[in-house]
Amino acid sequence: EAGVTQFPSHSVIEKGQTVTLRCDPISGHDNLYWYRRVMGKEIKFLLHFVKESKQDESGMPNNRFLAERTGGTYSTLKVQPAELEDSGVYFCASSQELRTEAFFGQGTRLTVV
Amino acid sequence: AQSVTQLGSHVSVSEGALVLLRCNYSSSVPPYLFWYVQYPNQGLQLLLKYTSAATLVKGINGFEAEFKKSETSFHLTKPSAHMSDAAEYFCAVSDRNAGNMLTFGGGTRLMVKP
Repeated sequence: EAGVTQFPSHSVIEKGQTVTLRCDPISGHDNLYWYRRVMGKEIKFLLHFVKESKQDESGMPNNRFLAERTGGTYSTLKVQPAELEDSGVYFCASSQELRTEAFFGQGTRLTVV
Repeated sequence: AQSVTQLGSHVSVSEGALVLLRCNYSSSVPPYLFWYVQYPNQGLQLLLKYTSAATLVKGINGFEAEFKKSETSFHLTKPSAHMSDAAEYFCAVSDRNAGNMLTFGGGTRLMVKP
C-alpha cells in the first residue's frame, strides 16, 4: 500500500512568486493534515481536512496560504505570494479515523530566496 | 492549550549505551502522547504512543516510554543504542477531544558514536 506522497520534494522560488505543494494521502483516509517546520523551530499544525471540508484551519499563518482538497482525495497548499519567512519543511499526514495513527509524508522543503 | 518541551536539541551517546530522550508536556485535559522519529531524507515515523492504557509503552526498534502523570513526562528510552538509531526524535501531544491535531516539541537529534 502506498504511503502519503508529497510533491515536490524540494522547491526553490523567489520572494513574491507562487508555489503549490501537493499531498496524496493514503487511499481511504478521510483525515488529512498539513504541518510546517520552519528552520530551527518545532513542527506546527496548519490545518485539518475531513474529506473535502476544513475541520480546523487555526494554524494557517495568514491569507497568503490557501489549502484545498477538492473531491476529498489529494490536497494542495498554495502560497501566494511567497515570503522569505515561509521557508521550511511542509509535512502532510493522513489518518483513517480520528484518534488513529496519522501517517506522515516525507515533506516538501520550500526555500524562498 | 498544550505544549511540549524536549530537553536537549542534541544528544550524543556511544554505541551500546543507554538512550534517554526527555519530554515534558503540558495539557489541560488527559493527553495522548507520541514519539516520532525522522531518519535522514525520510518522513516522520511513529515510534510509539500512549493512549491511556498501560503507562509503560513499548514501540518499534526496542524503544519504550513511560507516562508519568505526576511529573508530566513521557521520556523515551532504549537500553542499548545502535548506529542505526541516529535520527531526529519528536515528542508530541494530542488533545483527545480535538482529533489528531498534534503539538510537537522542538525535536532532539540523536547522534551515536562508534
